[in-house]
Amino acid sequence: EVQLVQSGAEVKKPGESLKISCKGSGYTFSTNWIGWVRQMPGKGLEWMGMIYPSDSDTRYSPSFQGLVTISADKSISTAYLQWSSLRASDTAMYYCTRQTGDYWGQGALVTVSS
Amino acid sequence: DIQMTQSPSSLSASVGDRVTITCRASQGIRKDLGWYQQKPGKAPKRLISAASSLQSGVPSRFSGSGSGTEFTLTISNLQPEDFATYYCLQHNSYPWTFGQGTKVDIK
Repeated sequence: EVQLVQSGAEVKKPGESLKISCKGSGYTFSTNWIGWVRQMPGKGLEWMGMIYPSDSDTRYSPSFQGLVTISADKSISTAYLQWSSLRASDTAMYYCTRQTGDYWGQGALVTVSS
Repeated sequence: DIQMTQSPSSLSASVGDRVTITCRASQGIRKDLGWYQQKPGKAPKRLISAASSLQSGVPSRFSGSGSGTEFTLTISNLQPEDFATYYCLQHNSYPWTFGQGTKVDIK
């Protein structure tokens, strides 16, 4: 059974760093793209970017380029989304998804507040 | 970037109704489009891939059509569990882009 399991909810202060994770199982992790999707409170879905774990080829939406970093460790079937300096506007639910969205993680709520 | 214009943004319908949602791409995307259903507090679920292929386990009352720039999701015989928000996603070229969403609620 294909599963994507994300790390838990986070509460952070502005300026702090954060790395959230998405662990895949039940399929060949390294040869399937993993994407990240943001959903701000009460808003729609936004595609942030994606990574091909086998060679770490990464594509970013221009809206998120330079604001986040997507990475992966194929040895442990895990993809990551990280921020070096969080802002209040990063408060959102973040989903990981496989390929063109056939499987999704359960989501990770990130709250940034002073 | 390819813009996906989804309409309507919301609609009210009754159980048993036929509902149609449209996504229009700002340039041709062949059939590189999926439709997703999202219920409150849940992750999205893919209903349709490649514009018209029904995902395994998805009821046959859901159907998709279109290619190029015009796409539709049709729900025939709307059921209570279908009240949700629906999104299209184009994956023809980077950056991939979602439509703005259509909230289907009970009339």
